[in-house]
Formats: sequence, structure tokens, C-alpha cells
Amino acid sequence: DAKTTQPPSMDCAEGRAANLPCNHSTISGNEYVYWYRQIHSQGPQYIIHGLKNNETNEMASLIITEDRKSSTLILPHATLRDTAVYYCIVRVLTYGGSQGNLIFGKGTKLSVKP
Amino acid sequence: KAGVTQTPRYLIKTRGQQVTLSCSPISGHRSVSWYQQTPGQGLQFLFEYFSETQRNKGNFPGRFSGRQFSNSRSEMNVSTLELGDSALYLCASSLLGDSNQPQHFGDGTRLSIL
Repeated sequence: DAKTTQPPSMDCAEGRAANLPCNHSTISGNEYVYWYRQIHSQGPQYIIHGLKNNETNEMASLIITEDRKSSTLILPHATLRDTAVYYCIVRVLTYGGSQGNLIFGKGTKLSVKP
Repeated sequence: KAGVTQTPRYLIKTRGQQVTLSCSPISGHRSVSWYQQTPGQGLQFLFEYFSETQRNKGNFPGRFSGRQFSNSRSEMNVSTLELGDSALYLCASSLLGDSNQPQHFGDGTRLSIL
């Protein structure tokens, strides 16, 4: 799987948008971008994923650049409960194959401050 | 819909013993993956099961094994425990394990080896 690069830490003021960048310059055309987060002492929580187009759900928005070499996860109105480590992962596109594993990097520790 | 359930949440063992951890996936999910999380190595993939068959395996010694039952529930076993096996063990499930389907994690079993 392609490697990703994320800043080790970021701060965000409560109520403001949190924009978390991810670089995946070696991504292939058939690799999805996934975002997870992990709050202390809990399992990773799925946030969102996309292939080419921007995606939005109730938790966040995912903006993928046209060349697909980078993406940004946007939490529109960060709260204190969004303080967590955020992982950006690229994953090969398959159907019915043995691609069950995710390769986690070190992620970005987001601190939301009052 | 109930999430992924892992039991027990905490476990203390001594070196040389063996341990069995249990995972109940989200209802309808047929793929179950196991991960190990340590402060030094981060989150690492152990293995994936689908339809009672292991179809993907990470780089761990043979002391780590698993199985999946017909109801998709899974267990992992670690034999001859070592101090370095102290970790958070996470289970994740997805519908079929395809890379365009997110994996959903449980909150893990924290294993401590004395």
C-alpha cells in the first residue's frame, strides 16, 4: 500500500473547522483514501473514505486533490470530543480479494482547545 | 445495530502461558481482522478471516493464531506468552473485507504480561 505523510500534531479552537492534511504522493489509481481516528483507550473509529471525488458524511468532509496526491479531512465545527489521533490510510481497490488489512502510520494528534 | 464486541476487556497473564481472545463482529459482517497495538510499533495487522478461512496474514510468529466460526465470530490465540506480547489487541469487521468497505473496530482487549 502507498505510504502517507501527516503532521505529528495540530491544534484547533473549539467551534472552528479542523483541517487535517495528508500527503500520499505515490498513490495508485486504484487506491482509496481512508480516515480513522482513535480516542484514548478506544478502538479506531471509521470516519470517511473516498477514491477520486470529494466525500461528505455526518462526521466530516474529505477533499482529494485532482492529482490525488494529497487530501484534507475537514471537521466543520470541532468540539473537545474530537481530540484524538487521526490516521490517513491508502488502501488498494479490490473486490472479493484478500485485502483485509489496513496499514496505519503514526497519524496526527489533534488537540481541540476551548 | 450493535458494534464489534471484544471480550475480555482486560487480561493479565504471566510469561509462558497462553491466552484466547474473542471477537463478535457486527451482525451480517463476514470478514474479521485482528490487529496488535503497542506504543513502540503502533497498529499492526495480524490476520484476516473470511468464511472460516484465514485469507491474509501479517508478519507475526506462529505463536499467534486465530480461527473463525460459522457465525463469523472469531478468536485469536497467543501461546507461550512473552513480555513483548503486552498490547492492545483490536478486532475489526467488515461486510466482505473488500477495500471499498470500511472496517469497524471494537475497543480491544488489553493484555498485560507479567
